[in-house]
Amino acid sequence: GENVEQHPSTLSVQEGDSAVIKCTYSDSASNYFPWYKQELGKRPQLIIDIRSNVGEKKDQRIAVTLNKTAKHFSLHITETQPEDSAVYFCAASIKGSARQLTFGSGTQLTVLP
Amino acid sequence: DTAVSQTPKYLVTQMGNDKSIKCEQNLGHDTMYWYKQDSKKFLKIMFSYNNKELIINETVPNRFSPKSPDKAHLNLHINSLELGDSAVYFCASSQFLGGAGTEAFFGQGTRLTVV
Repeated sequence: GENVEQHPSTLSVQEGDSAVIKCTYSDSASNYFPWYKQELGKRPQLIIDIRSNVGEKKDQRIAVTLNKTAKHFSLHITETQPEDSAVYFCAASIKGSARQLTFGSGTQLTVLP
Repeated sequence: DTAVSQTPKYLVTQMGNDKSIKCEQNLGHDTMYWYKQDSKKFLKIMFSYNNKELIINETVPNRFSPKSPDKAHLNLHINSLELGDSAVYFCASSQFLGGAGTEAFFGQGTRLTVV
């Protein structure tokens, strides 16, 4: 099955700085790569996603890049704010009948005021 | 108008008991999942169902038995609960379009504590 590795496990940044979280995946059949944010005690919620036919996608302060050859993708958050503090998960979904959504191990992001 | 709802939100029970967690989605999605989130926050897939049929059954003890009466519901029954089963269990659903995944919506989670 798919294996998704995520780094770092914890990340602290000063407010206003940028944060980058990186993930690698193992199955070249994966074609959908979402990122989820989970605030303390709440459910994971999608913040941005990218498909394998696109190399980069941006939504305001958040961007995701995908390198299919290297099988890795990254989340970039610019101008971080305290409310960005949360656990962030990357995930990969395999095309076809597998219907599997595999998550990375999560990154605890702390934005220091 | 909750998209994915699961009950109960909290469940405290003794070792050896049997318990169930219910999940319903009103999004018309064809795929539903159960994930286990342990104390280290790792989201591990347990089961994936497509249109009531089991697609994925990860290495989960057979004390865990999912049941999908229809494609809008995926319940999780756990027999002979053990201390190590304590975790937050999330139900989720998504739609696969042309074989490609889309956003997964999560329920609020069920915090299971086995004492």
